[in-house]
Amino acid sequence: GAVVSQHPSWVICKSGTSVKIECRSLDFQATTMFWYRQFPKQSLMLMATSNEGSKATYEQGVEKDKFLINHASLTLSTLTVTSAHPEDSSFYICSRGGQDPTDTQYFGPGTRLTVL
Amino acid sequence: RKEVEQDPGPFNVPEGATVAFNCTYSNSASQSFFWYRQDCRKEPKLLMSVYSSGNEDGRFTAQLNRASQYISLLIRDSKLSDSATYLCVVNKRGSQGNLIFGKGTKLSVKP
Repeated sequence: GAVVSQHPSWVICKSGTSVKIECRSLDFQATTMFWYRQFPKQSLMLMATSNEGSKATYEQGVEKDKFLINHASLTLSTLTVTSAHPEDSSFYICSRGGQDPTDTQYFGPGTRLTVL
Repeated sequence: RKEVEQDPGPFNVPEGATVAFNCTYSNSASQSFFWYRQDCRKEPKLLMSVYSSGNEDGRFTAQLNRASQYISLLIRDSKLSDSATYLCVVNKRGSQGNLIFGKGTKLSVKP
């Protein structure tokens, strides 16, 4: 069964609004979770690493003030896209790792964001 | 050079065919390697990890050549349900957050 859930699965919003995406680890207390973005026909790109109880670590080129990440509990990380614009339209996917650092990651079902 | 490069595809094959995907990575410090499959508009799902000794899971065989920084995936007796995009994924520094994804190779298996 699923080990990571995301909500909502899709969202359509007007330009300028903020959108919050939730990511839950269902079977494992995850101190670290990850947020990715995938544009059509492109690779998944890591946006940021969400750290429980501390600030997220953002990848180069990702605006931390635009993509707000909160990891308030061991099972929940949220990504808020603030003042969304059409170029933010993408497939946002969260993941969590396993217990071993060399483990792969387990992905949520993704959230498809369309900004009009 | 891209960090992870894959065959551009698409691969259109008949049922029962054997198909091979290739992937190269640029960072020799990479420590873990994976093949994922991604169905259209869905999240990636782990297909298999890749080990230096090579590993097999049913119809799927993965190989890793660290010296050449090359990874392969072989699918035998392909099924219609194998149609998907196959992603080559490399863990950059042995920490979970540094997964680098290839763009993927699309496979279409026809009846």
